[in-house]
Amino acid sequence: ELKVEQNPLFLSMQEGKNYTIYCNYSTTSDRLYWYRQDPGKSLESLFVLLSNGAVKQEGRLMASLDTKARLSTLHITAAVHDLSATYFCAVDMNYGGSQGNLIFGKGTKLSVKP
Amino acid sequence: IAGITQAPTSQILAAGRRMTLRCTQDMRHNAMYWYRQDLGLGLRLIHYSNTAGTTGKGEVPDGYSVSRANTDDFPLTLASAVPSQTSVYFCATSASSASWNEQFFGPGTRLTVL
Repeated sequence: ELKVEQNPLFLSMQEGKNYTIYCNYSTTSDRLYWYRQDPGKSLESLFVLLSNGAVKQEGRLMASLDTKARLSTLHITAAVHDLSATYFCAVDMNYGGSQGNLIFGKGTKLSVKP
Repeated sequence: IAGITQAPTSQILAAGRRMTLRCTQDMRHNAMYWYRQDLGLGLRLIHYSNTAGTTGKGEVPDGYSVSRANTDDFPLTLASAVPSQTSVYFCATSASSASWNEQFFGPGTRLTVL
């Protein structure tokens, strides 16, 4: 059974600081997704990582994937208040197949304070 | 209409009642999904459909049924609602069922079963 664990689950950080959110998963997969959710809202796709070593960046966020370590990271650089949200990673549960069914982590609630 | 719509936005339902949550998309995406989101548990897949006319079970299918008569609509039915089905329900779509396609999420339906 594929399990996806995020840590930390809660993160309070000051504006201007850097931090990393970790996403570990339990079985082989090479397809990982990061989503953002604002309170009371839907999920917004941030990054799609489809191979070992994949790195993608958008603004102050950078995501990477290490399939050998079964680990993805979401790095936040010089945080600003607008980044406050809950961040989810999701892993394709059907490695080697074509079915795109995702298993989600429990989410990391990020609060950026001035 | 742009993207994915869900109805109703929210609903309070007596236990034992039948309820259908609606999901409509105008993106002509082949694959559609239903998730439930519960505090502390992240998102869990209920049912999915790779293309019109086909459906499959996800991680937590018990108590729910779906149909996919056409490309645009993917209703989720609770035949006899129970309080444990209180949750926020999200419909999602992707261009195809291939796992390299990112999923896009609707606005959600907040359901309370009393």
